[in-house]
Amino acid sequence: DAKTTQPNSMESNEEEPVHLPCNHSTISGTDYIHWYRQLPSQGPEYVIHGLTSNVNNRMASLAIAEDRKSSTLILHRATLRDAAVYYCILTRNTGNQFYFGTGTSLTVIP
Amino acid sequence: GAVVSQHPSWVICKSGTSVKIECRSLDFQATTMFWYRQFPKQSLMLMATSNEGSKATYEQGVEKDKFLINHASLTLSTLTVTSAHPEDSSFYICSAGQSYEQYFGPGTRLTVT
Repeated sequence: DAKTTQPNSMESNEEEPVHLPCNHSTISGTDYIHWYRQLPSQGPEYVIHGLTSNVNNRMASLAIAEDRKSSTLILHRATLRDAAVYYCILTRNTGNQFYFGTGTSLTVIP
Repeated sequence: GAVVSQHPSWVICKSGTSVKIECRSLDFQATTMFWYRQFPKQSLMLMATSNEGSKATYEQGVEKDKFLINHASLTLSTLTVTSAHPEDSSFYICSAGQSYEQYFGPGTRLTVT
C-alpha cells in the first residue's frame, strides 16, 4: 500500500486556521485520500476524504495537489476539541483496511 | 453516522487466560470488519480482516492461533486473545465500513497481569 508522510507534531493557536500537510508521492490513480483523527483513548473518527477534487464538509476542508502527490487538511478555526492525532491514509477502494502511518499530533494553544 | 460498539471497554486478566472482545455494527450490516492493535504512543496496526462466514485474513507477523477471530453474523465479530501474556496488553480497536467511511469502535483496553 502507498505510504504517507506527515509531520510528527504541529501547534496552533485557538480560533486560528490549521493546515496539516501529508505527502503521498507513490499514490496511484485509484487511491482515495482519507483523513481520520484520534483523541486519546478513543477510536479514530472520520474527518474527510477525497480522490482528485478539493472537498469541504462541516468539519474541515481537503486540498489535493494537482499531481495528487500531496494533500492538506484545513481546519478553519481550531478549537481545543480539535487537539488530536490526525492520520492521512490512502486506500484503493471503499471499505478497504487501513494502514496507518505515524500521524500528526496537533496541539491547540488557548 | 453509523455506530460501531465494542465490549468490554476495558478488561484485566491474568497471564495464561483467554479474553474475548466483541465488535458490533449497531445500525448497519458489515460483511467485513477489521481488527487493530495500538500500543501506547504508537499508531494503529492492522491485525486482521474479519470476513462474515469465512476465515479471517491475518497480517504478516500476527499469530492466527493466538488471536482467534470469529465473524458469525453481519453485525458481530469477536477477537479472542488466547493464553494472554503481559506483552499482549494493548488497546484493541475494531472497524467496519459503510460507503467510503470506516467506522471505528471506541476500543478495548486489555491489561494482562
